[in-house]
Amino acid sequence: EVQVVESGGGLVQPGGSLRLSCTASGFTFVDYAMIWVRQAPGKGLEWVSVITGNGRDTYYADSVRGRFTISRDNSKNTVSLQMNSLRAEDTAVYFCAKRHDSSGPTGYFDSWGRGTLVTVSS
Amino acid sequence: EIVLTQSPGTLSLSPGERVTLSCRASQRVPTNYLAWYQQKPGQAPRLLIYLASRRATGIPDRFSASGSGTDFSLTISRLEPEDFAVYYCEQYGASPQTFGGGTKVEIK
Repeated sequence: EVQVVESGGGLVQPGGSLRLSCTASGFTFVDYAMIWVRQAPGKGLEWVSVITGNGRDTYYADSVRGRFTISRDNSKNTVSLQMNSLRAEDTAVYFCAKRHDSSGPTGYFDSWGRGTLVTVSS
Repeated sequence: EIVLTQSPGTLSLSPGERVTLSCRASQRVPTNYLAWYQQKPGQAPRLLIYLASRRATGIPDRFSASGSGTDFSLTISRLEPEDFAVYYCEQYGASPQTFGGGTKVEIK
């Protein structure tokens, strides 16, 4: 059974940093791209960042480029999102998801975690 | 980027009814790379449909989808109590991939 579990959310002040982690199981991790999607309170879904299966290519939404960094450790089946210079508008539930394929900037997501809440507030 | 507009924003329906949700793209979605997701309160989204009309694994056949180019739809033939949720479309044919704003299907 495929499982995706996020961790690391919490309350952080504007300008601060936070690191989210996602641990996956039940599939050959290196064969699939992984993605972070966020959902602000009461709002829709927003793609944040994706990393290809081999970790060589990363892509970011304009809203987070230069502030967020996605990475993965294929030996530990984990993907991380380092978030710096956080703003109030980054407040959201952050979902980690498995994509259906391994490479390229886009795809659909066939397994999702339950999400972790990030609140940016003073 | 391709903007996806979902309509209507909210639908109030009764169990057993048939419903069709719309997703319109601001430009053609390459290769009809369009997916549909269902999200219930406090839960993660669940993949329903990919490639515009293909049901994901384990999705009941009361869910069907169609469309091409800029106009896509999701139909639930007979609403079950567990189908009341928010539905999102997503295009993954062009970068950046984008989501629609969602349609909420609520119990009347």
